[in-house]
Amino acid sequence: GAVVSQHPSRVICKSGTSVKIECRSLDFQATTMFWYRQFPKQSLMLMATSNEGSKATYEQGVEKDKFLINHASLTLSTLTVTSAHPEDSSFYICSALGQGDTEAFFGQGTRLTVV
Amino acid sequence: KQEVTQIPAALSVPEGENLVLNCSFTDSAIYNLQWFRQDPGKGLTSLLLIQSSQREQTSGRLNASLDKSSGRSTLYIAASQPGDSATYLCAVKGQAGTALIFGKGTTLSVSS
Repeated sequence: GAVVSQHPSRVICKSGTSVKIECRSLDFQATTMFWYRQFPKQSLMLMATSNEGSKATYEQGVEKDKFLINHASLTLSTLTVTSAHPEDSSFYICSALGQGDTEAFFGQGTRLTVV
Repeated sequence: KQEVTQIPAALSVPEGENLVLNCSFTDSAIYNLQWFRQDPGKGLTSLLLIQSSQREQTSGRLNASLDKSSGRSTLYIAASQPGDSATYLCAVKGQAGTALIFGKGTTLSVSS
C-alpha cells in the first residue's frame, strides 16, 4: 500500500506556543488530505478536509484560526496548532487520498502534549 | 449524518477462540467500509477494505462481511492469538473523496 509519513511522532510544548505537524505522501500524489484527532479511549474525530491549493474545510466546532491547515503541494499537508493549551493535548493523525480514491492511507500519528 | 456504532466496546477471550466484532452504520448509502487495528499509543493498520458492491473480504484469519441494506458489517477473527490484542476500528466512507467516519472501536484482549 501507499505510504504516508507524519512527523513528529511525539511533541511536548509549552502552553501558548505553536506546533506544526507535517503529513507527507511518499509515493503518490494526495489530492485530498484529512486531519483527525483522537482523545484517550475515544474514536477518531474528523477535524478538517484539505484539498491541494484550496482552503481547508473544517468540521463544526473546530476553530480554523487555532488549527491552521496548509496543503501547498500534492505531497504535503501541515497542521499548525496555534497558541496551544493543555486541552489541545491529543493524538493527531492525518489521512491521504490518491486519485481514484481506492483506499485511505494514514500517517503514524502525532502525540501532542501541552504543558 | 452518518453514525457508526461498534459492539461490544470491549471483549476478553482465551487464546484459540473464534470471535466476531460488530459494526453498524445509520446511512446505508456508503462508498466503502474499512476495518483497522490500533495498538495502544500507535497509528492505524488497515486490515480489510470492502467496497460497497462487495459482500465480504478475507485476509488470513480475518474475514469481514458487509450487509449494506441492514447497515451492518462484521469482522470475524479465527483462532485468536495474544498478538491480536488491540483496538479494532470500523470506518465508513459515504462518497468517493470524502473522509472516513469512525466507530469508537472494540478493544480486544486475548489471553494465553
